[in-house]
Amino acid sequence: QKEVEQNSGPLSVPEGAIASLNCTYSDRVSQSFFWYRQYSGKSPELIMSIYSNGDKEDGRFTAQLNKASQYVSLLIRDSQPSDSATYLCAVSGALDMRFGAGTRLTVKP
Amino acid sequence: KAGVTQTPRYLIKTRGQQVTLSCSPISGHRSVSWYQQTPGQGLQFLFEYFSETQRNKGNFPGRFSGRQFSNSRSEMNVSTLELGDSALYLCASSTDTSGNTIYFGEGSWLTVV
Repeated sequence: QKEVEQNSGPLSVPEGAIASLNCTYSDRVSQSFFWYRQYSGKSPELIMSIYSNGDKEDGRFTAQLNKASQYVSLLIRDSQPSDSATYLCAVSGALDMRFGAGTRLTVKP
Repeated sequence: KAGVTQTPRYLIKTRGQQVTLSCSPISGHRSVSWYQQTPGQGLQFLFEYFSETQRNKGNFPGRFSGRQFSNSRSEMNVSTLELGDSALYLCASSTDTSGNTIYFGEGSWLTVV
C-alpha cells in the first residue's frame, strides 16, 4: 500500500462546477496535511495546509481532514479553466513529507 | 522575500557522467529537501538536510548524495548517470520539516542521453 494515495484521474469538470479531489494516507501519526497545485512544466505551489479535523476554507478552496478515516480532500468551488493542473496531496511525517501521485484536473469552458 | 533558487534550470548530460545541482533556500529557512519527479514515479523523496546534517534519506542508490553548507545552501550530486535519472529535481525549503510547509524551487530539468 502506498503511503499517500490519490485518484490519478483525469478528473474533468465544467467551468463553474465543484471539483472534488481525494487523498488517503497510511501513517496514523501524520499531523500535517497539504495540497499543492502543479501546472505542466512548473514546480508545485502550495494551495492549502490543514492540521485539525474538519474543514478549512480559503477563497474558492476548502480542505477537509478526517484523521480517524485517514482521509483528506480538497474542494474547488466555481472551478475555472485556470484551475486545470495536477493537484498533489502531501502528508508530513516525523522527518519528511510524502506526496501522492497527483490528480490531474481539467476544467472545461 | 526571494523564493527558493535552483541552478542550473536545464542541463543535458551523458550516461556515466556526474552532475551537481544547487539550491539556495528562502532566507531564514534551515531545512532543505530534495525530490525527484518523473512521469511514472511522481514525486520521490531523496533526502533532507537541516543545519548541515542529513536527517533523512529516501530509497535511492548511493549514487545520489547531497550536502548542506553553513549558509543553508545545498547541493546534490548524482554520479555515474543512468538514462533513468532523467527527471525534474526539485529542492524545497522550510524553517523545519516537523510539520511545517515546504516551498519548492522551480526545479532543475536533467536529461541523460
